[in-house]
Amino acid sequence: GAVVSQHPSRVICKSGTSVKIECRSLDFQATTMFWYRQFPKQSLMLMATSNEGSKATYEQGVEKDKFLINHASLTLSTLTVTSAHPEDSSFYICSARELPGSSYNSPLHFGNGTRLTVT
Amino acid sequence: AQSVTQLDSHVSVSEGTPVLLRCNYSSSYSPSLFWYVQHPNKGLQLLLKYTSAATLVKGINGFEAEFKKSETSFHLTKPSAHMSDAAEYFCVVSDTSGTYKYIFGTGTRLKVLA
Repeated sequence: GAVVSQHPSRVICKSGTSVKIECRSLDFQATTMFWYRQFPKQSLMLMATSNEGSKATYEQGVEKDKFLINHASLTLSTLTVTSAHPEDSSFYICSARELPGSSYNSPLHFGNGTRLTVT
Repeated sequence: AQSVTQLDSHVSVSEGTPVLLRCNYSSSYSPSLFWYVQHPNKGLQLLLKYTSAATLVKGINGFEAEFKKSETSFHLTKPSAHMSDAAEYFCVVSDTSGTYKYIFGTGTRLKVLA
């Protein structure tokens, strides 16, 4: 089955530093990947849609200069949290759809998430 | 616009008894609906999906869901709960407007009692 690998699974960083999270589709290609943020005991909030070879599309209220997204290839998207602050501490999850079949019928495959703690 | 409502934020069942997690949807078009499970500090795993084929959908780990258009429901069931089923469950509808975004329900936390 389709596997999405997300790395790292946990990261602790100091306030003011930047953190990069990688999302890879291991056995399929994905032109589109999605980045979510999840607060404790809450549902997933879509942050942005990552498009291979073009700029990401950010949801309303998400700071694109703080959450930098790069989708350099069909199997890799990265999310960089720049100048992180304690309020950025959260669980970040990426997901991707397989090619072909990038339609609303195709299920998303999720990474295992990254727990970011900013001290 | 599409939306989903998960009617229960928490459900507790005894091991070996049936599980029912309720989900209602709203969609202007024929929807694509999914159920995902999330264990603590993990990503989401697809349990099953409905995409306008059979209305009774069988998924992994003994789960199934029935699409009922007249009731706009897509409830998740399992005949006999296992301790390992304790997790968070999300009902999801896929946006059909071309963005292919997922619209998540608020989740149901399933607790299985020994």
